[in-house]
Amino acid sequence: GENVEQHPSTLSVQEGDSAVIKCTYSDSASNYFPWYKQELGKRPQLIIDIRSNVGEKKDQRIAVTLNKTAKHFSLHITETQPEDSAVYFCAASWAAGANNLFFGTGTRLTVIP
Amino acid sequence: NAGVTQTPKFRILKIGQSMTLQCTQDMNHNYMYWYRQDPGMGLKLIYYSVGAGITDKGEVPNGYNVSRSTTEDFPLRLELAAPSQTSVYFCASSYSRQSNTEAFFGQGTRLTVV
Repeated sequence: GENVEQHPSTLSVQEGDSAVIKCTYSDSASNYFPWYKQELGKRPQLIIDIRSNVGEKKDQRIAVTLNKTAKHFSLHITETQPEDSAVYFCAASWAAGANNLFFGTGTRLTVIP
Repeated sequence: NAGVTQTPKFRILKIGQSMTLQCTQDMNHNYMYWYRQDPGMGLKLIYYSVGAGITDKGEVPNGYNVSRSTTEDFPLRLELAAPSQTSVYFCASSYSRQSNTEAFFGQGTRLTVV
């Protein structure tokens, strides 16, 4: 099955700086790559996703890039704010439904005011 | 708009006890899932269902059972609780359509087996 690796496991940045989280996947058939944010004690929530026919997608301060040849994708957060502090999970899937949504191990992002 | 609702939020079980984690969604989603999240780890799929009456194993199904008698409900059953099942359990649902594949999660159940 799919194997998703995520780095780094922890990341601390100063408020206003950028944060980058990277993921690699093993199954070349994967074509859907969502990112979830999980605040302390809360449920994971989708923040952005990208499909294999797109190389980059932006939503305000968040962007995701995808390199299908190298089988890696990254989350970029610019102008970080304290409320960005959370655990971020990447995932990969090759089906329309999420039954085979394989998650990375998560990155704990801390934004220092 | 309730979304995905899980009960209970917390539970302590003794080894060998059994329990059912409840999950219900009011979004008419056809797909439902159970994940477990161990400390410092990602989410691992236990079981999933593509519709009422249909269930299938995920990555880590041993020690669990599920049923899907209705579109709304997807309970997870632990028959003989073991310390290795100490974890946070998340139920999720999604509407399987190419244009909409977001998984909506419940608030989680923190289970401790002692």
